[in-house]
Amino acid sequence: SQTIHQWPATLVQPVGSPLSLECTVEGTSNPNLYWYRQAAGRGLQLLFYSVGIGQISSEVPQNLSASRPQDRQFILSSKKLLLSDSGFYLCAWKVGDGVINSPLHFGNGTRLTVT
Amino acid sequence: SQKIEQNSEALNIQEGKTATLTCNYTNYSPAYLQWYRQDPGRGPVFLLLIRENEKEKRKERLKVTFDTTLKQSLFHITASQPADSATYLCALSFSGGYNKLIFGAGTRLAVHP
Repeated sequence: SQTIHQWPATLVQPVGSPLSLECTVEGTSNPNLYWYRQAAGRGLQLLFYSVGIGQISSEVPQNLSASRPQDRQFILSSKKLLLSDSGFYLCAWKVGDGVINSPLHFGNGTRLTVT
Repeated sequence: SQKIEQNSEALNIQEGKTATLTCNYTNYSPAYLQWYRQDPGRGPVFLLLIRENEKEKRKERLKVTFDTTLKQSLFHITASQPADSATYLCALSFSGGYNKLIFGAGTRLAVHP
């Protein structure tokens, strides 16, 4: 069966420090991969998605970047964190290869607090 | 721009009653709509998917309707239980953007014994 791993679960970082959040998926090949952010009491904001290695679509211009160095690995990064980067970051995958109506499967998220 | 609206106020109901949650959208030509459940501090979990050409979908105590004329989906939980208490999110994928799933802010449901 497929599983998704996301770490760390919580992170406290000072303003101006770098960030690297990692997400890996097991049990499937060529998945679509996603990064969402959820502010307190708000909905999920799509940040990046990827349909293949090295293919990244950015949805919101901001202080973050994403990379997909391997088929089942998705990394969210920042060179210098801002206070506004605080939030709950969620990685997700869905069946790729052009399958349209498959659901998203989420990790358990990373709670990031920028101080 | 595309917009998805869900009731921001929490829905409080008595155990055994039917909970009905609303999802409205604008400026979309959706391909399909999905509903997710999210518990505090956890990632959302998929519940149901309904296509644009489907009017209704059922799964056990859950029912989803999709009215593309009204641009609205209703999510029903019958015989609700305290364990159904959670935040419920609707999400849309639209024609020409199948790889993107856009979420509403969610509605918190509280089922009281």
